[in-house]
Amino acid sequence: AQSVAQPEDQVNVAEGNPLTVKCTYSVSGNPYLFWYVQYPNRGLQFLLKYITGDNLVKGSYGFEAEFNKSQTSFHLKKPSALVSDSALYFCAVRVVSNDYKLSFGAGTTVTVRA
Amino acid sequence: NAGVTQTPKFQVLKTGQSMTLQCAQDMNHNSMYWYRQDPGMGLRLIYYSASEGTTDKGEVPNGYNVSRLNKREFSLRLESAAPSQTSVYFCASSAAGGKNSPLHFGNGTRLTVT
Repeated sequence: AQSVAQPEDQVNVAEGNPLTVKCTYSVSGNPYLFWYVQYPNRGLQFLLKYITGDNLVKGSYGFEAEFNKSQTSFHLKKPSALVSDSALYFCAVRVVSNDYKLSFGAGTTVTVRA
Repeated sequence: NAGVTQTPKFQVLKTGQSMTLQCAQDMNHNSMYWYRQDPGMGLRLIYYSASEGTTDKGEVPNGYNVSRLNKREFSLRLESAAPSQTSVYFCASSAAGGKNSPLHFGNGTRLTVT
């Protein structure tokens, strides 16, 4: 079975500081990994994905994520957080052999204080 | 540029009532999905439709039915609503149903069953 864990319910950072949102996964095959962001009363928006190739993936709004196969992690990062980055962030994994089922983590609420 | 449109945005039902949640996408996507979002549990897949004419169960299909009316529309029906179905429901679509295709989400339907 595939699963994904986001060990932190909440992350609080000051504006201008680096932001990291953690994600670890457990799959039996090669993973396809995604990050999504959800603003209040909205649907999820795609940020970035890892399929293959470079372990460092760049996405929307200045976010990036690093795939680490040995640690089975896919942490989301932003060098300098903005107040507008405050939102709910979800990590998701899809196993290569399982086309359509995407497993989501429970989500991490990010609060960036001015 | 509508993307994925869900109706209604809010609904209150009494236990035992039925209703249909509507979803339409204008991106010519092949695959469509229904998820429910509950606090602390992330998103869980209810049903999906890999392509027009096909539907399959996800993680939590009990108490729900779906219809892929055409390529654009994918509806979710609750035949006899229960309080456990109180949730926020999201419809999503993806291009070609491929494993590396990100999901595009609607803004959700907030359902309360009393």
